[in-house]
Amino acid sequence: RKEVEQDPGPFNVPEGATVAFNCTYSNSASQSFFWYRQDCRKEPKLLMSVYSSGNEDGRFTAQLNRASQYISLLIRDSKLSDSATYLCVVNTARQFYFGTGTSLTVIP
Amino acid sequence: DAGITQSPRYKITETGRQVTLMCHQTWSHSYMFWYRQDLGHGLRLIYYSAAADITDKGEVPDGYVVSRSKTENFPLTLESATRSQTSVYFCASSDLLERETQYFGPGTRLLVL
Repeated sequence: RKEVEQDPGPFNVPEGATVAFNCTYSNSASQSFFWYRQDCRKEPKLLMSVYSSGNEDGRFTAQLNRASQYISLLIRDSKLSDSATYLCVVNTARQFYFGTGTSLTVIP
Repeated sequence: DAGITQSPRYKITETGRQVTLMCHQTWSHSYMFWYRQDLGHGLRLIYYSAAADITDKGEVPDGYVVSRSKTENFPLTLESATRSQTSVYFCASSDLLERETQYFGPGTRLLVL
């Protein structure tokens, strides 16, 4: 079983739409959680850390549910510039595990 | 400018050859990482280092060797390249481990013929 699993998509949404991604992790001892963004043929960049209480950064909201072992990312009012692949990342036993990514395309 | 750089950016080699990928960071971050990214697998950790002269295996270390004699450099060597090592390799660094951002280099695209 993979440490981190994501729906690969693709998600194709119109500008202004709200879109949500989910990610599940297999190890209940996992300690920290992140969402990274990766543009085509570029390096991943941190979008936001995910905290148990949930956290928001502008149009982006991240949630963590430890009981069900899933992480979510909500993007409101999608922009064309949000088109990218979103990677769920989990730190378990001092190693980082990446999901395969969810592809998002925002359509004009 | 400060940052994390990788070289070469593109490399073509043949099966059985030794290849070294370089990674250099200017932030004096303690931790450095090597990942490979393949379709269907996402990024997978090859090796990481907590400090100079301290390295640990990640998820997929077989066929790779690392060293870290200086804090700022973390070279990755494929001792005898195989076609299955064709991939995009990313180096990353972070100041701490669990909750800190990892900063990634631009990647090296390696093709093994």
